[in-house]
Formats: sequence, structure tokens, C-alpha cells
Amino acid sequence: EVQLVESGGGLVQPGGSLRLSCAASGFTFSSYWMHWVRQAPGKGLVWVSRINSDGSSTSYADSVKGRFTISRDNAKNTLYLQMNSLRAEDTAVYYCARDRVVPGYYYGMDVWGQGTTVTVSS
Amino acid sequence: EIVLTQSPGTLSLSPGERATLSCRASQSVSSSYLAWYQQKPGQAPRLLIYGASSRATGIPDRFSGSGSGTDFTLTISRLEPEDFAVYYCQQYGSSPPNTFGQGTKLEIK
Repeated sequence: EVQLVESGGGLVQPGGSLRLSCAASGFTFSSYWMHWVRQAPGKGLVWVSRINSDGSSTSYADSVKGRFTISRDNAKNTLYLQMNSLRAEDTAVYYCARDRVVPGYYYGMDVWGQGTTVTVSS
Repeated sequence: EIVLTQSPGTLSLSPGERATLSCRASQSVSSSYLAWYQQKPGQAPRLLIYGASSRATGIPDRFSGSGSGTDFTLTISRLEPEDFAVYYCQQYGSSPPNTFGQGTKLEIK
């Protein structure tokens, strides 16, 4: 079964750090670009970060640039999101997702994890 | 940065009716790079449509996507009870690589 399972969420104080993990199974993890997408309570989906299949290229939303770091370990089939200098506005459910892009065509984010909740509060 | 604006914010319809959801981009988007997702409460999003008009695996044919340039549409031909959810459009681009619309809530009338 193709699956993504997030972990690592929790309650953290403003200014604190947290590392999220996303364990992949049932597919060739190293072949896919991976993303983190978040959703604040009662709000819509917001793209956070992306990493290419071998980890050599990353992108970030302006709101997290310089504070968050995306990485992956293809040997462990795991995606990570290191979150530093956390703010109240980072409170959200964080989803990992895979997608596939070929030159000239985008196949969408077709597999998503169940999400992990991050709460930033004192 | 491309901004996606979805309308209406909320759509109230009855089962069996036809739903038409709009996604408008602030600048032209390649139709190959436009996707739609469905999200139900407490669940992760589910991919419905990619390439503006191709249904994802397992998606019923009552769901269809169309459009080009700056105007895209998701149509649900005959609403089933399980279709009432929030729908998001998304574009794949260069900077930022991905943008979502703010969502349309489809509720039972």
C-alpha cells in the first residue's frame, strides 16, 4: 500500500524548534519530489516547502524561508521538516505529499499523509 | 507570484444537482499545471483532477475539469452525498512552485 505517515508534531513555545518526519512506504521514494503543505485551524491549504528527488534542490514559501529546512533520507524513505524560530502563526496541521512533474506536465499531489499537528503557544 | 481566486466561497446545492466551481488565476497558467483537490473534515486532501482536465485514479466520471489561461472550472455533474466537501485548485509554477486557491465549500442545501 502506498502510504505517507507524518510524526513529530506537538506543542512548542514561540521561538522553539520542532522536527517533523514523514515516512514513506509502498513506492520508490527516491523517484518523487516531496512537499510539506500546512493548514491552519479552519483555514485553507498553504504550500510550505518542496524538495527534489535526490535532495539537491529545495524551495520555500516566503513565510518560512530562513526558519524551516526541508531534507530527505532516501535510504530511510523519510522526509523531514526542521522548523526553527516558531511563531504562533505556524500553528497548523502539516501534511507531507508527493507529486510528479515531467517537462510540460504536472500530475498533481496524488499521495498525502494524514497530517501532524503543530501548536505554537506559550 | 500567481494568485488563485476561487468562487464562490460557499456553494449550497442539493444532491442530484450540478455544481460548477471556478478558479481564476492572476496571470495565465498552463492548463498542464492546474490541479483540483477535495478535502473532507478531518481528512487529508485528495487529488481529483490534474492537467486541468484529467481525472486522477479512482475518481468518478461525474467530476470533470476544464479551462485554460486564467479561468478554470471544476464541474460535478450530479452531486452525491459524499461530494459535499471543500475544493481547492492548485497551480504548479516556478516561484513559488505551488499555489493553492482559498477553497470553495460545497454544502448541502
